This record gives sequence, structure tokens and C-alpha cells, in this order.
Amino acid sequence: GAVVSQHPSRVICKSGTSVKIECRSLDFQATTMFWYRQFPKKSLMLMATSNEGSKATYEQGVEKDKFLINHASLTLSTLTVTSAHPEDSSFYICSARVSGTPRSPLHFGNGTRLTVT
Amino acid sequence: EDKVVQSPLSLVVHEGDTVTLNCSYEVTNFRSLLWYKQEKKAPTFLFMLTSSGIEKKSGRLSSILDKKELFSILNITATQTGDSAIYLCALAYSGAGSYQLTFGKGTKLSVIP
Repeated sequence: GAVVSQHPSRVICKSGTSVKIECRSLDFQATTMFWYRQFPKKSLMLMATSNEGSKATYEQGVEKDKFLINHASLTLSTLTVTSAHPEDSSFYICSARVSGTPRSPLHFGNGTRLTVT
Repeated sequence: EDKVVQSPLSLVVHEGDTVTLNCSYEVTNFRSLLWYKQEKKAPTFLFMLTSSGIEKKSGRLSSILDKKELFSILNITATQTGDSAIYLCALAYSGAGSYQLTFGKGTKLSVIP
């Protein structure tokens, strides 16, 4: 149980276009989902916390107008990279926690490799 | 089918004890195995292992990979209460022509004084 599905797994887009990444909890409800970016040295940076039915909470230094997050249902959060630039090329990962269990483990998606040409 | 299986799922030890966390995996096109400590903001990167038999060490933490038996262990010696956390194992591999990363379910470590 507790599977998080991320889609697409890989996307290549042209500079200036927008890309949407989906994060779905397949067999549980997730009031909160998290979006990360993995850097070349494998560290994970939390970008934002996605809250169902309300605005996402962004970490310092993350542009909310560039990385649009929508958490319209208890099983789906989306991250849209708007007007993508080559420096946005990275590996993006989401995670989710079963609603109502603040101390339970996070469940991670398999990530999305974004390449902006 | 889980590609990454961590054990035990949870563990309670006393301060000063040594613990060993296990991570077994099954994948083709292996690239690396990563260990993270799940913290409040984001998992903190601990180790990246690519070669068998070479121990990586950082303070009281160490890790080693066995690519023949397809597992890795994370050791923590002289545990402290601050080591209490969920430890995540992640497998990086090549799939569908690109970099893929799959996390295990984690091991919850509780260190009691």
C-alpha cells in the first residue's frame, strides 16, 4: 500500500514553455504533499509544501510564480514549471503522507527528470 | 513489486548502542544507492554508494554496498537521541532511457536515553 505515482517520469521541453508534473497518491488520501528538487550531488531541496484546498507554502528562495503548485484533491498535486529555462533542468520528486498521520513516514514518487533545451 | 526493501521498519535502541539498517534492492541498470536521513525540511543526504565493498564513513555513520548480494547496510555507532529519525534508502537506476530514483519505505529509528 501507500504508493505515490509521479508522471511523467521524463520530459524534454523547449525554453520558454511550461511543463506540468503530476503527483498522485494511489491508495491513500494525502492532505499534504511535498515537492523536492534533487541536485547533482544528490541532496534534496524542499521546494514547497502542497496543501489540499489551500495555497502551497514555498520555501525561501523558490519562486512561487515560476513553480505553480495546485493541490485540487486529496490524491493529486501538480507542479507546473512555467516559462522553463535550461537552469530549471533537474530531477523533481514529490512525497506524500497519509492524511491525519503527521508522524508517519513519507511516501515518495519516482521522480521526474526535466530537461529544458 | 517493491524495488527497494528496507528492514527493519522500526527500531528502538538505547543511547550508546550500535545499529545496523538494511536495504535490499532488485533492479537492472543500477547506477547508485543513496542513504538519506529524513528531517523536517527534506531528507538529508548521507551517502552515495556505487562500488561494492568500499565503506563510506562520516563520523559515527558508515555504509557499504554489496552489488553481488544486492544490499547495503547503514551502521550507526554510539547512537545519540539526535539520531532518532527515519532513514531512507533510495535506488538510482536507468529506466526508460533516463535517470530513475526509487525510495524504500524507510526505517524508523528511535534512540532513547
